[in-house]
Amino acid sequence: EVQLVESGGGLVQPGGSLRLSCAASGFTFINYWMSWVRQAPGKGPEWVATIREDGSEKKYVDSVKGRFTISRDNSKRSLYLQMNNLRAEDTAIYYCTRDERGGHLQQWGQGTLVTVSS
Amino acid sequence: DIQMTQSPSSLSASVGDRVTITCRASQSITSYLNWYQQKPGKAPKLLIFAASTLQSGVPSRFSGSGSGTDFTLTISSLQPEDFATYYCQQSYSTPHIFGQGTKLEIK
Repeated sequence: EVQLVESGGGLVQPGGSLRLSCAASGFTFINYWMSWVRQAPGKGPEWVATIREDGSEKKYVDSVKGRFTISRDNSKRSLYLQMNNLRAEDTAIYYCTRDERGGHLQQWGQGTLVTVSS
Repeated sequence: DIQMTQSPSSLSASVGDRVTITCRASQSITSYLNWYQQKPGKAPKLLIFAASTLQSGVPSRFSGSGSGTDFTLTISSLQPEDFATYYCQQSYSTPHIFGQGTKLEIK
C-alpha cells in the first residue's frame, strides 16, 4: 500500500523557518517526481514545488521562490520542504504528493498544518 | 503562468441530476487536465487525468472531455456521496495551477 506521511508542521512566527518531511513507502520512491501542494484555510489547493526523481531538477511557484527549497533523500525514501522567511500567507495544510507521468497527483499524504502567526 | 478558470463556483443539484462543470485554460494545455474531488477535512482525490481517463476505482458516472483550452467534468447521475468540491488542474507546464473550485451542494 502506498503511503505518504508528512511531519514537521506547527506554529511559527513571521520571518521564521520550518522544515517539512514526507516519508514514503509502498512504492519505488526513486522512480517518481514528487511535489508539495498546499491549501490555505477555506481556499483551493495550490501547487508549490516539484523535484525530479534524482533531485537534479526543481521547480517552484513564484510566491515561494527564494524562500522555499524542495529536496529529497532517495536512500531514506524521504521528501523535504525547507521553508524560510515565512509569511502569514504561507499558513496552510501542506500535502506531499507523488507525481504520475503526465503530472497528475494520484497519491496524497494526510497533510501537515503550518500556521504563521505572531 | 497558465491560469485556470472554473465555472460555476457553486452549484445546487439533486440526487439523480446530471451535472457539468467547466474549466478553461488561458492557453492550450492539450490534454494535460486533471480533475479532483475534495471532501471536508480530506486530501483531494484524483478522479480523471489526461482530460478523459478515469482513475481506477472511480465510478463510471464521472466522465471528462475536452482538449486545448476547454474542458468539462460530467456526473451523469448524482449520488449522495458526490456532494463535494471539485477542482481542475493543468499539468502541462509548471506551476501546475488548480482552478478555484466548484462546490456542489444538495438542492
